Amino acid sequence: AQSVTQPDIHITVSEGASLELRCNYSYGATPYLFWYVQSPGQGLQLLLKYFSGDTLVQGIKGFEAEFKRSQSSFNLRKPSVHWSDAAEYFCASTDSWGKFQFGAGTQVVVTP
Amino acid sequence: GAVVSQHPSWVICKSGTSVKIECRSLDFQATTMFWYRQFPKQSLMLMATSNEGSKATYEQGVEKDKFLINHASLTLSTLTVTSAHPEDSSFYICSATEAGATDTQYFGPGTRLTVL
Repeated sequence: AQSVTQPDIHITVSEGASLELRCNYSYGATPYLFWYVQSPGQGLQLLLKYFSGDTLVQGIKGFEAEFKRSQSSFNLRKPSVHWSDAAEYFCASTDSWGKFQFGAGTQVVVTP
Repeated sequence: GAVVSQHPSWVICKSGTSVKIECRSLDFQATTMFWYRQFPKQSLMLMATSNEGSKATYEQGVEKDKFLINHASLTLSTLTVTSAHPEDSSFYICSATEAGATDTQYFGPGTRLTVL
């Protein structure tokens, strides 16, 4: 069975600093991997996705993620965070049936 | 493109009543829609998967008679919480996949249900 792990429940970062959110997956084959962002009381917005090909994926809002098969990871990065990046971030994967498995989420707090 | 809406965005109801939540794909045809439930500060829990014109597939532990799902058209799915109780209070989110591109789910803004 597939699973997605986000080791960090909460991260605090200063505005302008870099951000990296960790995500590890467990799946027999290469999964489809996603990062979503959720602002308070809102639905989920797709930041980026990886299906195959180039392992460095560019997304919206200046985010990127790198797929590393050897580490079963799909970490999300942003070189310089803005106060508006404060939100909950979810990593997710799908299996061959299209069923999504979400990580527990990482709460990002941005300080001035 | 790929916009999903939900209505209402929030609802308060009395215990014992039923509440219907609508999920619409605004600019694409959604062959499959998903319903999730999210508790405060927790991740999304898949409740059921619905395909247009067929019965929904419920996840283990989700009462199908309590959470009625209808997917009558390619742009609309509804979730009805029957005989709601305070423990049903939650944030309900739907998502949809586009016909021919089923690998990505597009999420609605969610519906906050509070049962008094």
